[in-house]
Amino acid sequence: NAGVTQTPKFQVLKTGQSMTLQCAQDMNHNSMYWYRQDPGMGLRLIYYSASEGTTDKGEVPNGYNVSRLNKREFSLRLESAAPSQTSVYFCASRQTQGSTGELFFGEGSRLTVL
Amino acid sequence: AQSVTQLGSHVSVSEGALVLLRCNYSSSVPPYLFWYVQYPNQGLQLLLKYTTGATLVKGINGFEAEFKKSETSFHLTKPSAHMSDAAEYFCAVSDRQANAGKSTFGDGTTLTVKP
Repeated sequence: NAGVTQTPKFQVLKTGQSMTLQCAQDMNHNSMYWYRQDPGMGLRLIYYSASEGTTDKGEVPNGYNVSRLNKREFSLRLESAAPSQTSVYFCASRQTQGSTGELFFGEGSRLTVL
Repeated sequence: AQSVTQLGSHVSVSEGALVLLRCNYSSSVPPYLFWYVQYPNQGLQLLLKYTTGATLVKGINGFEAEFKKSETSFHLTKPSAHMSDAAEYFCAVSDRQANAGKSTFGDGTTLTVKP
C-alpha cells in the first residue's frame, strides 16, 4: 500500500540552487496537490493539478513550477532556491468524480535553503 | 471563498481528560468538513469527515465531531485522552465541486497529553 510517495525526504540547498521534488500516487486519483507547511501557518497550497494535463496556481505559487508528467506523477521545481522556501513540502492526491474531497498525503519532504 | 479558524494553537490536557479542539469555518456553499491528524515527522491522515446526513460523525481512535450549521462549527472531541493522541490536528474545508475541490486548512492545533 504505497499510496503517495515523495522523494527526497530531506534536502539541503544553497541559495540559488535548483531542485525538483518528485511525487507519485498509485491510487488512480485524478487530482494532485503540492502544499507547504510552516510553523503556525497550517498548509498552504502552492500548485494543483485537477486532472492530467492541467495545472493551476494555488495560494503561494511564486518561486515554484510544476509538471503533471502523467496521471501518477506530479513534480514541484524550485528554479532558484531562497531561504524563504525552507519548509516541509507535502504532496497530496484525491479522486475527483464521486469524491467527498478527502486528501491522501505523502510523508513530506523537508527542505532547508541556506 | 472559504476559510477555517482553529481556536487555540496549543491545547494541553491530562491523560483521561476530555479533549476539545475547536474549528469554525466560512464557506459560501455547503462544505465538506474534515479533521486530519499529523504525528511527528509524518504526513497528514484523515481522522474523520462530514459530508452529508448525520451531523455527529465518528472517526478513528475514538474521536468524533459535530457539524453545527447555525454556528458554522465543527469541533473535535474525545471523551478520554490517551498519551498516543499527542499530535497536531488540522481542520479543513472543501467545496463540493466535482473538479479541483481545493481544500483550505486551519493553522493547526498541537495537542499535548500530560501523564
